[in-house]
Amino acid sequence: QVQLQQSGPGLVKPSQTLSLTCAISGDSVSTDSGAWNWIRQSPSRGLEWLGRAYYRSKWFNDYAESVKGRITINPDTSRNQFSLHLNSVTPEDTAVYYCARGGLGIDGFDVWGQGTVVTVSS
Amino acid sequence: EIVMTQSPVTLSVSPGERATLSCRASQTVNSNLAWYQQKPGQAPRLLIYGASIRATGIPARFSGSGSGTEFTLTISILQSEDFAVYFCQQYNNWPFTFGGGTKVEVK
Repeated sequence: QVQLQQSGPGLVKPSQTLSLTCAISGDSVSTDSGAWNWIRQSPSRGLEWLGRAYYRSKWFNDYAESVKGRITINPDTSRNQFSLHLNSVTPEDTAVYYCARGGLGIDGFDVWGQGTVVTVSS
Repeated sequence: EIVMTQSPVTLSVSPGERATLSCRASQTVNSNLAWYQQKPGQAPRLLIYGASIRATGIPARFSGSGSGTEFTLTISILQSEDFAVYFCQQYNNWPFTFGGGTKVEVK
């Protein structure tokens, strides 16, 4: 079955870049069915979809307006994984971050990573 | 963006009873609505998609209904493992948005 395994630091300093990776097993990052998403969850903002990457003859990205300009989601075909980079972080970016498969041919988010607690603090 | 509103915020139910959760969208999402269950320290788990289709491995006591702007998740006979937080999510319009959740707790 499809599994997603997240990795990355749990503590990031304000103004720096938050970087997380999601390794995929049982599917391909280059699949032409579905997309690879990052979602975060905090008490103040609830569940918030951040963005996605997907391949349809070429790579595409969609990003939430709330983080547009600060976010990049990159696929890594050689390692079959994808990454999240969120720059210029503030304490408001403190949250549990999840990667998930879903959308564009897959209804809902059907596979999730285990989650990474990220705290933005000096 | 579409705002998803869930009610009630907390639902107190006894094991073996029926639980009915509601989700309302600020504009139509057709049947592009999913429900998730989340337990403490875990990622959300997809229960229902297409408003009424159970995801793989989801027990038949979970059922979804509705279309347009009004949706319902029903748990017919609550088991101990069903006490959790439930979220609805629309995927009709980008960006996809989630409701604030309903916590189902033991009465």
